Amino acid sequence: GDSVTQMEGPVTLSEEAFLTINCTYTATGYPSLFWYVQYPGEGLQLLLKATKADDKGSNKGFEATYRKETTSFHLEKGSVQVSDSAVYFCALSSLYTGANSKLTFGKGITLSVRP
Amino acid sequence: EAQVTQNPRYLITVTGKKLTVTCSQNMNHEYMSWYRQDPGLGLRQIYYSMNVEVTDKGDVPEGYKVSRKEKRNFPLILESPSPNQTSLYFCASSWGGSLRNSPLHFGNGTRLTVT
Repeated sequence: GDSVTQMEGPVTLSEEAFLTINCTYTATGYPSLFWYVQYPGEGLQLLLKATKADDKGSNKGFEATYRKETTSFHLEKGSVQVSDSAVYFCALSSLYTGANSKLTFGKGITLSVRP
Repeated sequence: EAQVTQNPRYLITVTGKKLTVTCSQNMNHEYMSWYRQDPGLGLRQIYYSMNVEVTDKGDVPEGYKVSRKEKRNFPLILESPSPNQTSLYFCASSWGGSLRNSPLHFGNGTRLTVT
C-alpha cells in the first residue's frame, strides 16, 4: 500500500537558519504530494502541493520539488523564523483506487525555531 | 469565514460512556472525514463520507460510528469508549472531486481522554 516516510524529529534551529525536512514515499503510479503544517492548538493547513513529476510547490518561502526518480518531496526554506515553529506533515493522494477517499500522512516532524 | 468546526475541543470521559463529537462545515463541501492523531503514528483515517448518506471505513474504524444525514454535519460517535481511543481527533472536509487537486480543510481538533 501507499506510505510516506519522514525524517525523525524533533528539529531545533536558530532563526535565519536553512531548513530541510526529508520526505520519501511509496505509491503505485504518480501520486499528488502535499505538505501540511500544524501550528500549536490548531488543525492542519495545506502549505504546498505538487501534482506531477518535477513540479515545484511553494508558499510562504517554503519549497518542495516532486522527484519521481528518488520518490521524494523534501521541504526546504532558506531562512526560518520563530513563527515557523510547528509540526510538518508530508502526505500523498494516490492516483488509483481510493484516490478520492483519503490522504496518506507521514508521522510528522516538530520544528522549533529559537530567536 | 470558511471553517470546519468541531465540538468539544476537550473531553474527558470514562470507559463505556457513549459520546459524540460534532463536526460542521460551512463551505458546502461534499467530502468529509475523521482522522485521529497519535504520537509516532501521524494521522490515521477513521471514516469518510463522499456525500450525504454515503459513508465508508478508513484505516482504523473499529469502535467508531459516523452518520451523514446532512451535507454540513458529520458527527463521530463512540458507543462504548475505551482507553485506547484516547487521542486527538480531527474532522476534515473538501469540495469533492479528487483529493489530488482539492485540499483538505481541517477543524481545530478534539482532545479526548478516556479513563
